[in-house]
Amino acid sequence: GESVGLHLPTLSVQEGDNSIINCAYSNSASDYFIWYKQESGKGPQFIIDIRSNMDKRQGQRVTVLLNKTVKHLSLQIAATQPGDSAVYFCAEGFGQNFVFGPGTRLSVLP
Amino acid sequence: GAGVSQTPSNKVTEKGKYVELRCDPISGHTALYWYRQSLGQGPEFLIYFQGTGAADDSGLPNDRFFAVRPEGSVSTLKIQRTERGDSAVYLCASSLNRGGRETQYFGPGTRLLVL
Repeated sequence: GESVGLHLPTLSVQEGDNSIINCAYSNSASDYFIWYKQESGKGPQFIIDIRSNMDKRQGQRVTVLLNKTVKHLSLQIAATQPGDSAVYFCAEGFGQNFVFGPGTRLSVLP
Repeated sequence: GAGVSQTPSNKVTEKGKYVELRCDPISGHTALYWYRQSLGQGPEFLIYFQGTGAADDSGLPNDRFFAVRPEGSVSTLKIQRTERGDSAVYLCASSLNRGGRETQYFGPGTRLLVL
């Protein structure tokens, strides 16, 4: 079936550096994508979203890039901080469905 | 309320027992979702409500799982004859309208442990 996946299950980044978390999706009908951040013991927290008619969207310290040609989504975090340490999920939406990937753990090193 | 709330935050039960998990969505949100999250996994879709009706229950694993939303606000996920494999975090989310194109806002989850 269709699925959302991630290239890297874990990512360690030095504090202050930029982080890039990648995600591959396989359903070409997906037209809405979201990145969520999940800290230990908490529910997923919305970070940023993008619709398929866009290829880039910026938020506060975060940027999401969408490459529909290769079905790839990335989340860029600028000047990574210790508070960014969490598991990050990408999710794709199509029709009434919403599918999450398995997640990438981001560890910020002091 | 300010966000999605779920009760209880933790639930420990014995195999074979019945449990109910409650979700209070954001006020005014018509769509409500239940997900199950196992350790180290992403949330797995269970059921989606639009108003009072279950618009999509294709994610419910078997007939031991059932959910209701009688007044279109609060929802209860019910699990009968619990099994150890049901142990997971059960997440609830709500969105303003419907479908996979709306941002879903998640609650903190209920951690269910079946002994």
